[in-house]
Amino acid sequence: DTEVTQTPKHLVMGMTNKKSLKCEQHMGHRAMYWYKQKAKKPPELMFVYSYEKLSINESVPSRFSPECPNSSLLNLHLHALQPEDSALYLCASSHAREIRSYEQYFGPGTRLTVT
Amino acid sequence: LAKTTQPISMDSYEGQEVNITCSHNNIATNDYITWYQQFPSQGPRFIIQGYKTKVTNEVASLFIPADRKSSTLSLPRVSLSDTAVYYCLVGDWGAQKLVFGQGTRLTINP
Repeated sequence: DTEVTQTPKHLVMGMTNKKSLKCEQHMGHRAMYWYKQKAKKPPELMFVYSYEKLSINESVPSRFSPECPNSSLLNLHLHALQPEDSALYLCASSHAREIRSYEQYFGPGTRLTVT
Repeated sequence: LAKTTQPISMDSYEGQEVNITCSHNNIATNDYITWYQQFPSQGPRFIIQGYKTKVTNEVASLFIPADRKSSTLSLPRVSLSDTAVYYCLVGDWGAQKLVFGQGTRLTINP
């Protein structure tokens, strides 16, 4: 199974809402990632978890809060977002700390619209 | 992280071989070169990775000259389904940190 699943596929939320994005993989990968991608732009790294610990935070605003409950799951909690946060949010996973960490498996993404 | 430069767009036709070149003049000794493909509204997909000379898999070939300041992704006999954005990335294999450049938008025509 080389699949990374993400739920929901689409999400519309108001600026005062709290919502969560979920990501799951069963490839035994110990590194998991969140990326943000705006239309016609490349993906931008947000967070990296390695062995369930946050290892990279790319200066992301605190209204985005990641969580890695176990080695298979990754959540992104959203609160008080702004319209400019509307984007495709991608989850990925890989082997950790070796050459294969560059071989990342991406999910299909959650299309988020903030109104 | 070494910066990469790729053509913004390319056009080709079904059945042709397509070569996309990426420039990475500041590549470091520990850096590997990785290529990803992305279709609209999907996550990127790993295509190939290499360090030097030539790497081939079932999808593509990657050619890296001795100075490693550039690399060429070769897609043999493309089809319409190869229309996508192709990203060249360079970085330390242990860094986990993928930095995507602007990518090359490849359009395959009938």
